[in-house]
Amino acid sequence: DVKVTQSSRYLVKRTGEKVFLECVQDMDHENMFWYRQDPGLGLRLIYFSYDVKMKEKGDIPEGYSVSREKKERFSLILESASTNQTSMYLCASSFSQITAYGYTFGSGTRLTVV
Amino acid sequence: GDSVTQMEGPVTLSEEAFLTINCTYTATGYPSLFWYVQYPGEGLQLLLKATKADDKGSNKGFEATYRKETTSFHLEKGSVQVSDSAVYFCALNQAGTALIFGKGTTLSVSS
Repeated sequence: DVKVTQSSRYLVKRTGEKVFLECVQDMDHENMFWYRQDPGLGLRLIYFSYDVKMKEKGDIPEGYSVSREKKERFSLILESASTNQTSMYLCASSFSQITAYGYTFGSGTRLTVV
Repeated sequence: GDSVTQMEGPVTLSEEAFLTINCTYTATGYPSLFWYVQYPGEGLQLLLKATKADDKGSNKGFEATYRKETTSFHLEKGSVQVSDSAVYFCALNQAGTALIFGKGTTLSVSS
């Protein structure tokens, strides 16, 4: 089975800190995605990548950046954490841009910014 | 733009009851449609999918049929169990774009 691993299940960071959320997939998937999940808002796309060193903004990229230096790893960076970035962050990957495949998700990182 | 609308929860049922969670979509093309499930404390898992009109996706007793005429993909299960308690997300995927999700519906099943 494809596995998407997020390095931390829970994180607590201070306002203003630079925060790195790491995601690794083990099945040579081309595409990787970062979503945040908030009650009543569902999942919102932050950034995605269809190839190494390539990135595209999603619906809510403000305050975030990403890095994809290797195919299997996609990092989400909070440049200066703020309390409104307290959320559940979900990483996902997919084999290709063929829509039928669907995505495989990691278990999520619950980030609290204090 | 494309969007997904699903019924607001929470949905509260007794064990063995019939489940329907409504999902409708707006899309300009011919998207693939998905249902994902999120159990407490976990990430999302693909539950079922359909890639063209009139396709029926099924898994673990859940079913959904891709209805282009009504732009719907309603999730159904004939007899729910306590273990089905989770959050269910309807989603669509168009070529060249990322998955678009509904806001999720919480299902709570009591014994």
